[in-house]
Amino acid sequence: SYELTQPSSVSVSPGQTARITCSGDILAKKYVRWFQQRPGQAPVLVIHKDSERPSGIPERFSGSSSGTTVTLTISGAQVEDEADYYCYSATDNIRGMFGGGTKLTVL
Amino acid sequence: EVQLVQSGAEVKKPGESLRISCKGSGYTFSNYWIAWVRQMPGKGLEWMGFIYPGDSDTNYSPSFQGQVTFSADKSIRTAYLQWNSLRASDTAMYYCARGDVDLDYWGQGTLVTVSS
Repeated sequence: SYELTQPSSVSVSPGQTARITCSGDILAKKYVRWFQQRPGQAPVLVIHKDSERPSGIPERFSGSSSGTTVTLTISGAQVEDEADYYCYSATDNIRGMFGGGTKLTVL
Repeated sequence: EVQLVQSGAEVKKPGESLRISCKGSGYTFSNYWIAWVRQMPGKGLEWMGFIYPGDSDTNYSPSFQGQVTFSADKSIRTAYLQWNSLRASDTAMYYCARGDVDLDYWGQGTLVTVSS
C-alpha cells in the first residue's frame, strides 16, 4: 500500500539516542527522505536516499533501512532537535507521499 | 545560494480566486521540479504535486487534482499555485520546495486564510 506510517511521538532525555521509524511497502524499493520541522518554520531536509546527510546537517543525524522500515536516528539528542519529523518517498510515477509525522520531545 | 521566496500571506473570502508564487534563485530554475506542499493548521505535510518549469509538465496528487492549478514562468523563475474558487477548508500554510524526490530547498511558506 502507498502509505507511510510513523509513531505520533517519541520522547528522550538530552544526550540519549532518539529513533524514529517510518514503515511502508514502497520503502522496500524506494528511498526515503527525512525532514525536520521546528515550530513556525519550514521543513528542512536532514536525510536523503535513506541514509545520506546533506551538507550542514550535524553528524548526530543518521538514517538506516531494513526491508519496509527506515529509521532516523539522532545520537545524543539535543534540546534544539525537538521538532516534528516527517518521512517522505515517491512512487515509480513520481507521486509523493509523507508520513504522518513524529513529534520528538527532548527533555 | 539556492533560495525559494514565496509571496506573502493572504486573507480571502470563500468563492474568491487566488494565485500565490514561489520565486527561485541561485540555480537553473528550469531544470528542477517544484513541489507544492500543504500544511493545514496543526496538521502534517501533504504532497499536492509538482510542476517542471522547463516545459510546465505537471503531476497532481489525486487529492488535489481539479482543485488547484500549477503554472510556471521560467523567464522570471517563478512557479504559481492557483485556486479559482476558495473554500474555508483551503485555509493552510502552503510551501514550495525544489525537486521531485529530494525536496532539498523549501520556501518560507505562504499562509492562506479563507474566511467569510
